[in-house]
Amino acid sequence: DQQVKQNSPSLSVQEGRISILNCDYTNSMFDYFLWYKKYPAEGPTFLISISSIKDKNEDGRFTVFLNKSAKHLSLHIVPSQPGDSAVYFCAACSGGSNYKLTFGKGTLLTVNP
Amino acid sequence: NAGVMQNPRHLVRRRGQEARLRCSPMKGHSHVYWYRQLPEEGLKFMVYLQKENIIDESGMPKERFSAEFPKEGPSILRIQQVVRGDSAAYFCASSPTGPRTDTQYFGPGTRLTVL
Repeated sequence: DQQVKQNSPSLSVQEGRISILNCDYTNSMFDYFLWYKKYPAEGPTFLISISSIKDKNEDGRFTVFLNKSAKHLSLHIVPSQPGDSAVYFCAACSGGSNYKLTFGKGTLLTVNP
Repeated sequence: NAGVMQNPRHLVRRRGQEARLRCSPMKGHSHVYWYRQLPEEGLKFMVYLQKENIIDESGMPKERFSAEFPKEGPSILRIQQVVRGDSAAYFCASSPTGPRTDTQYFGPGTRLTVL
């Protein structure tokens, strides 16, 4: 049972344009959401998070949007840079066990120069 | 400031052998988490340990898998009598204090291949 779903295995965008990565979840107990970035042969690196009491969180070029009614979140990267090329994982947890992350399968983002 | 270290980076075992995966958390971190990533899947939580204590092992298979984080030395994930289905990437993460998820720092992972 896939509780966190990233339906696009890959995404390709041009440098300077916006990248939008999507994530859906099914567990209504999830109340904290994170995005991780992963380069080949490295571990995931935390990027940005959002609590369920918010609908938007911004950090530089990265913005995460949360639509609780749709159980959907998205990560916007603008402007996209070639160095952003990596696998992006959406993850979620619930307050009761906020260390137990549930990850999606990831989306491979390729930013073309 | 060294990050989370995992070794070996690659481990090949034959069916029935034992696999030992090591994780040295970042300096000053006393909380360790293990995750497994099967092929074409996302990472899945296995176990959360503090020094000398297993806090939550709800994600660990009930048989053949064990984990420890001794007072001295690295955390060890041990898989006995490995099977082909154990082939995966195993990631360790650590955090400095309590389990706030955005402060989990991940290591590079150990890729286990079972022949």
